[in-house]
This record gives sequence, structure tokens and C-alpha cells, in this order.
Amino acid sequence: DAMVIQNPRYQVTQFGKPVTLSCSQTLNHNVMYWYQQKSSQAPKLLFHYYDKDFNNEADTPDNFQSRRPNTSFCFLDIRSPGLGDAAMYLCATSRDRTSGVFPTDTQYFGPGTRLTVL
Amino acid sequence: AQKITQTQPGMFVQEKEAVTLDCTYDTSDPSYGLFWYKQPSSGEMIFLIYQGSYDQQNATEGRYSLNFQKARKSANLVISASQLGDSAMYFCAMRDNNFNKFYFGSGTKLNVKP
Repeated sequence: DAMVIQNPRYQVTQFGKPVTLSCSQTLNHNVMYWYQQKSSQAPKLLFHYYDKDFNNEADTPDNFQSRRPNTSFCFLDIRSPGLGDAAMYLCATSRDRTSGVFPTDTQYFGPGTRLTVL
Repeated sequence: AQKITQTQPGMFVQEKEAVTLDCTYDTSDPSYGLFWYKQPSSGEMIFLIYQGSYDQQNATEGRYSLNFQKARKSANLVISASQLGDSAMYFCAMRDNNFNKFYFGSGTKLNVKP
């Protein structure tokens, strides 16, 4: 089945130790998103890619970086994790709004990576 | 400005009864989509139902239906015959013509009581 995969599902890191979360998709969608979600809150968009075009949210800290080497893969790098970065990180994909299916197409989410910072 | 508003932080419903989760939205675009997602405690976001701004009829998917009132800018989710497995967070989201973003509400935590 086509899907969005996130690895690892659980990640424990130490305060200040860089960490990378990965996301892959078999849907061939050209838009990929990274969200941060803290307990009982709405997902907060960090950034998204439209193909190779990177779109950063204005309030995303510089500590968060992303790479998209090809259509299938996208990475979230946290350069110096703080205790406040402990959260669930959700990756999602969609077709872009010019694909002819706008606005009907939903986002497809991965299972998430739960990050713990010690 | 807040694009999606969910005013019910938590709801209780008795098993087998129907429940309505509220969602209001704000956009000036004529073309937009409204989505509901379910998020169980496991964390995965599950797509439930979609309503397009030009759709004449309310969307339905099994036990889920969307009460779409365009003039009031509301898109309430109705779950009929609640089941224990419906206990989860529910998020309303909107996609409009602003790039490729989805805007999420703050969510409603639904608890189904046996």
C-alpha cells in the first residue's frame, strides 16, 4: 500500500545533541510537511516543501532545519534540542493545489515520531 | 487571524448516541476544502471526511457526516451511534488558496462512555 513512513517511531536524545527524523512516501506527492505537536494541542506547521521549494513558517526556530533530497524523502534536523522540543513530530504529504484535485485532496500523515529530550 | 475555531475542548457522549463536534472557519477564498481528522492516543492522524466549498450536499462517510452551513461558515462533524473506539482527539482543518497549507483547529477531545 502507498503510504507515509516515519523513522524512528520513538527517539530519545540528550539536551543539545543533534537529532534527525526521517520521512518517506510512496504516494509521489510533491508537497511534504513537517508538524510539531505537543500534548493535546493542534499540530503546528514548521515548514513544507513544494517540490524542492522550501517554505519556512515565520515562527519556526532556527534550531529546526529540513532537507528534501528527492521526491520520496524528507528529513527534519534539530540542531540543538532543548527540553521544549520534546513533542510528536508528524510528517504529511499532499498533492499541490494546482494538480487539478484542489481543494479536495487531503493530507496523508505518517505515524509520527515521538521525541524525548533528556 | 484564526482560520479554524473549535470551541469544545472536550466532549462526553454515551455509547450508541450521536454527537456533534463544532467547527467554524474563516476565509475570503471562494474555493476551499474542509477536513476532519481523528487522532487516537497512538498519535496517528486519520482522515475522516471532506467537504468542498462548492459541494451542494453534505458529505457522509459511514457513521460520519458533515453538517456544512456555508453562510454561517460552519462545518460540524456528526458521529452517529458512537462507539468506544471513537474516543480520540478530533481536528477540523481547512485548505484554501493560500499556498499549500492546511489550517488546523485546536481540537476536541471526545470521550465515549459505556
